[in-house]
Amino acid sequence: EIVMTQSPAILSVSPGERATLSCRASQSVSGNLAWYQQKPGQAPRLLIYGASTRATGIPARFSGSGSGTEFTLTISSLQSEDFAVYFCQQYNNWWTFGQGTKVEVK
Amino acid sequence: EVQLVESGGDLVQPGRSLRLSCAASGFTLEDHAMHWVRQVPGKGLEWVSGISWRSDSIAYADSVRGRFTISRDNAKNALYLEMNSLRADDTALYFCARDKNGGFWSRYWWFDLWGRGTRVTVSS
Repeated sequence: EIVMTQSPAILSVSPGERATLSCRASQSVSGNLAWYQQKPGQAPRLLIYGASTRATGIPARFSGSGSGTEFTLTISSLQSEDFAVYFCQQYNNWWTFGQGTKVEVK
Repeated sequence: EVQLVESGGDLVQPGRSLRLSCAASGFTLEDHAMHWVRQVPGKGLEWVSGISWRSDSIAYADSVRGRFTISRDNAKNALYLEMNSLRADDTALYFCARDKNGGFWSRYWWFDLWGRGTRVTVSS
């Protein structure tokens, strides 16, 4: 099983600032990496697939990068609606998820 | 509106059974493979099971294989998860999720639509 490790567990950021979230795979997943946003009581939402392709309707302030075992999700200028939990998922070999990064207001 | 709505979650005793349902609307279910994913409170997500568009490919996580059964009824736009021999560690919020593709025969894909989940609590 491919283990996905996200860091940090909690990221405190002020509105308007940049947020950088990391995701590491225990073995290479090539570019088969997705990012999801989850808010309390809501369905998770697909943000990024293929490590760097934004899903339909996702604002340009969200960007993904990386390949192999190291991946990054960047939110260039945090808006109030961006405070949430973010998960990475590898789909190179079945499906496994990271434990999540909570982005909270500083 | 394109959406998935789960139902059937409940409080059940260990060893008992439960059937979850997922109703799809706003799109053609048979175009997509479908999955169940669960989340233990305060923890990460765990893929549970997946089924291809015509049910010709089915897969389970090791933690549920032999106890859970996934199925679908494309005519009813519905996905199901039959859960038997439930254990305390099955307690979680269960999501259904739509696969980007129709199946996972030769490669895997991301999940492009999720429901809000239905809560299962296994406790005596």
